[in-house]
Amino acid sequence: NAGVTQTPKFQVLKTGQSMTLQCAQDMNHEYMSWYRQDPGMGLRLIHYSVGAGITDQGEVPNGYNVSRSTTEDFPLRLLSAAPSQTSVYFCASSRPGQRRYTFGSGTRLTVV
Amino acid sequence: AQSVTQLGSHVSVSEGALVLLRCNYSSSVPPYLFWYVQYPNQGLQLLLKYTTGATLVKGINGFEAEFKKSETSFHLTKPSAHMSDAAEYFCAVSGMNRDDKIIFGKGTRLHILP
Repeated sequence: NAGVTQTPKFQVLKTGQSMTLQCAQDMNHEYMSWYRQDPGMGLRLIHYSVGAGITDQGEVPNGYNVSRSTTEDFPLRLLSAAPSQTSVYFCASSRPGQRRYTFGSGTRLTVV
Repeated sequence: AQSVTQLGSHVSVSEGALVLLRCNYSSSVPPYLFWYVQYPNQGLQLLLKYTTGATLVKGINGFEAEFKKSETSFHLTKPSAHMSDAAEYFCAVSGMNRDDKIIFGKGTRLHILP
């Protein structure tokens, strides 16, 4: 089925560990983005990309890295996990200018 | 800079009653406006969007929203609530440029009372 696939769905990390959240889409969408969702805070933009080789920072980029080597994939890297990064992470994609985001089902991350 | 404010983090309505979820936006450029819905343990899905043209926008599941520039509002309504409407609703704003990012509000959780 076409859509946005996020892996893993759940993850527990220890403080200081690093990991990569995977996001892949098969709709040939140029625009991809990462959000984190926290209770009472809504969705906050971490990083986004308007095409392969191009990334930019969103509202809350500190502690996260991204790269976009292909149109399909947009991984999010946590360099040194902190309890403040406990959250639900969503990846989304769209065609340029369309702004009809397709969201993945999310990754629930707990940092202990 | 762009932002949205959703009034009320929780709203409760009786089944069959009018649903009204409030959203006010701030934008230095003509905005595009959106409502997304999130059902439990799922990602967000688009309900409706305003870009240009008609200010009353109809979406899925009987929802509609009206863009009022003079009030900087984009409130979401549905004439008759259904139990299946229980979810969290997010208002969002972006600019009109091709690569403008979308900024989401904090969300309103809608509860439907039997």
